[in-house]
Amino acid sequence: AQSVTQLDSQVPVFEEAPVELRCNYSSSVSVYLFWYVQYPNQGLQLLLKYLSGSTLVKGINGFEAEFNKSQTSFHLRKPSVHISDTAEYFCAVRTGANNLFFGTGTRLTVIP
Amino acid sequence: GAVVSQHPSRVICKSGTSVKIECRSLDFQATTMFWYRQFPKQSLMLMATSNEGSKATYEQGVEKDKFLINHASLTLSTLTVTSAHPEDSSFYICSARDPVPGRTEAFFGQGTRLTVV
Repeated sequence: AQSVTQLDSQVPVFEEAPVELRCNYSSSVSVYLFWYVQYPNQGLQLLLKYLSGSTLVKGINGFEAEFNKSQTSFHLRKPSVHISDTAEYFCAVRTGANNLFFGTGTRLTVIP
Repeated sequence: GAVVSQHPSRVICKSGTSVKIECRSLDFQATTMFWYRQFPKQSLMLMATSNEGSKATYEQGVEKDKFLINHASLTLSTLTVTSAHPEDSSFYICSARDPVPGRTEAFFGQGTRLTVV
C-alpha cells in the first residue's frame, strides 16, 4: 500500500521569499510522484511530476521538486513566491495504473 | 492539452432530492474515471473508480446505493447523489487519465460544490 505525508498543513511566507513544501511517501514498489495545486473552489492543476530519470523536476509557475529515493521524499520548492501562489498544494503518488493517493495538503499563504 | 470538464460547478438542493454530476473527457477516451470527495480543509478521498461498460469499484465505506456511478461511454461518467442529506455537502471532483501509453498524467475536472439544505 502507498501513503503520502505532508507534514505542514499551513505554510505562511512573505512575498519574494523562498518556500519549501515537504512531502514524504511510503511504498513497497516504484512510484510516480506528482504535485498539484488547487485554487479555491477549483479542481486540481498539475504542477509537476516525476516518472523516472533526473531527480530534479521543473514544473510550471517556477516550481521545482527533487525526488530523493533514500529519504522517500519529493519536496516542492520555489525560490521566490508571489501573491498568486497562495493556494492549497497536494502531493500525490501512483503506482502503475492505479489511482492517485493524495497527501492531506499544505495551505501556502503568501504575505504581502 | 487534455481536458476534463465537470458540470455543474455548484449545486444547491433540498434534503431528500437527488443530484447528478457529469464528468466528461474532452480530448481523449477515458476507459477509467475516478471520483473524489473533499471535505473542507482536507485532502481528496477516492470514492470510486468508474469503468466504462462495467460496474464501478467503490472504496471501503462508500455507499454504492447512495452514490450511483454510471460510465456509459468512453467520454462520460456520472455521479448521482441519491436522497441527499446535509452531511453529503462536499466538494466532488472527477479525474480521468488518458490511456495512451506514456500519458501518465491524471486530469481533473473543475469540481462540483454540493450544498444540501
